[in-house]
Amino acid sequence: GAVVSQHPSWVICKSGTSVKIECRSLDFQATTMFWYRQFPKQSLMLMATSNEGSKATYEQGVEKDKFLINHASLTLSTLTVTSAHPEDSSFYICSARGTSENTDTQYFGPGTRLTVL
Amino acid sequence: EDQVTQSPEALRLQEGESSSLNCSYTVSGLRGLFWYRQDPGKGPEFLFTLYSAGEEKEKERLKATLTKKESFLHITAPKPEDSATYLCAVQGSGTYKYIFGTGTRLKVLA
Repeated sequence: GAVVSQHPSWVICKSGTSVKIECRSLDFQATTMFWYRQFPKQSLMLMATSNEGSKATYEQGVEKDKFLINHASLTLSTLTVTSAHPEDSSFYICSARGTSENTDTQYFGPGTRLTVL
Repeated sequence: EDQVTQSPEALRLQEGESSSLNCSYTVSGLRGLFWYRQDPGKGPEFLFTLYSAGEEKEKERLKATLTKKESFLHITAPKPEDSATYLCAVQGSGTYKYIFGTGTRLKVLA
């Protein structure tokens, strides 16, 4: 149980284009989903928290107009990197918090490797 | 300020050589402490949730313990497949957000 998927697993795009990453909770409903960014050999950095049906809450220093988050349902959240630039290249990971027992535990997706040329 | 510190930063063990990883934390009202395993190029895999001092949880060769200031992840008779980065995170009261430590990179040699 508690499986989270991400799509795509990797993407390469040209500078200036937009990229959408999907995060799905496969076997549970996720009240809250989180988006993280991870640089090589570093820990996870929280970018934003999204709740189903409401606007995402962004961490300090994260541009909300650049990283658009949509939490359309209890099983799907999307992160769109708009007008991507090489400095946006990173490993993006989502997590989901369930609605039933053990709601404090976040379950993570496998991550999406974004490379911007 | 809420903070999580993991030690050591890296650890090399021989197969079968038991050891412990440390996670020290300061947080306003601990709501939960979480251990994850992360393999290169993958997302963190959930291991344990601990809620109160004195609590212990076990899974195969891993055992997690919690005090009011720190948590230990004990690895008994590790195998090469236990090689990974182990992440600790804490959640304070009034929030669902995690504060992550920087992780311990474990390498188990055959």
